[in-house]
Amino acid sequence: GAVVSQHPSWVICKSGTSVKIECRSLDFQATTMFWYRQFPKQSLMLMATSNEGSKATYEQGVEKDKFLINHASLTLSTLTVTSAHPEDSSFYICSAGPGAGGYNEQFFGPGTRLTVL
Amino acid sequence: AQKITQTQPGMFVQEKEAVTLDCTYDTSDQSYGLFWYKQPSSGEMIFLIYQGSYDEQNATEGRYSLNFQKARKSANLVISASQLGDSAMYFCAMGYQGGSEKLVFGKGTKLTVNP
Repeated sequence: GAVVSQHPSWVICKSGTSVKIECRSLDFQATTMFWYRQFPKQSLMLMATSNEGSKATYEQGVEKDKFLINHASLTLSTLTVTSAHPEDSSFYICSAGPGAGGYNEQFFGPGTRLTVL
Repeated sequence: AQKITQTQPGMFVQEKEAVTLDCTYDTSDQSYGLFWYKQPSSGEMIFLIYQGSYDEQNATEGRYSLNFQKARKSANLVISASQLGDSAMYFCAMGYQGGSEKLVFGKGTKLTVNP
C-alpha cells in the first residue's frame, strides 16, 4: 500500500514550452500533496503544498505563476512548469499524505527528471 | 523555525557491520515527528522509520533503529548488518506530529557500503 506514482519519469523540452507533471496516490486518498525540487547532490526543497480543492501554498521564493499546481481530486495533483528555461532543469518529486500509519508520514513518488534545452 | 542538521556528508561502512548516521534538530515545538528516508541513485524517496516526540521508546523497523535523545535533540539512524543495497543517500526530516504538514529535510548523508 501507500503507492504514489509520477508521470512522466523524465522529460526533455525546449526552452519556452510548458511541461505538466502528474502525481497520483494509487491506493489511498491524499488530502495533501507536496511538491519538491532537488538539484544534483542537494537536499529536497519544498516548493508548495497543495490541498484538494483549494489553492496551493507556495514557499517563499517560488514563483506561483511559473509553477502552477492543481489538486483537483484526492488522488491527483499536477505541477505545470510554464515557459520552462534551462535553469528549471531539475528533479521534481511529489509526496502525498497522510499515510495510514497515523502519523505524518509522506509517501513519495519516484520523481520526474526535467531537462530544458 | 524548524531545522535539521546532518553533519556527515559521506560515510563508509563494511558489509555486515553497523553504522550510525547523525541527525540533530532544532525546534520550539513540543509535538513533532522525526523521519528518516533513503534515496537510492534511482531517485525515489523510501520511508524508513519514524519517531514521535512523545514516544518513550526508540523506534525500530527491521535493521533500522532510531536512537532518539530528546534532551540532546538528536535522532540518529542506526543500520545494523549493513548490506550492499544500503548504499544510498539518507535524509533526516522533521514534521509536525499528527496531521499532514510539510517536512523539513537535512542535507543528507551519502552512505557507501563496501564489500
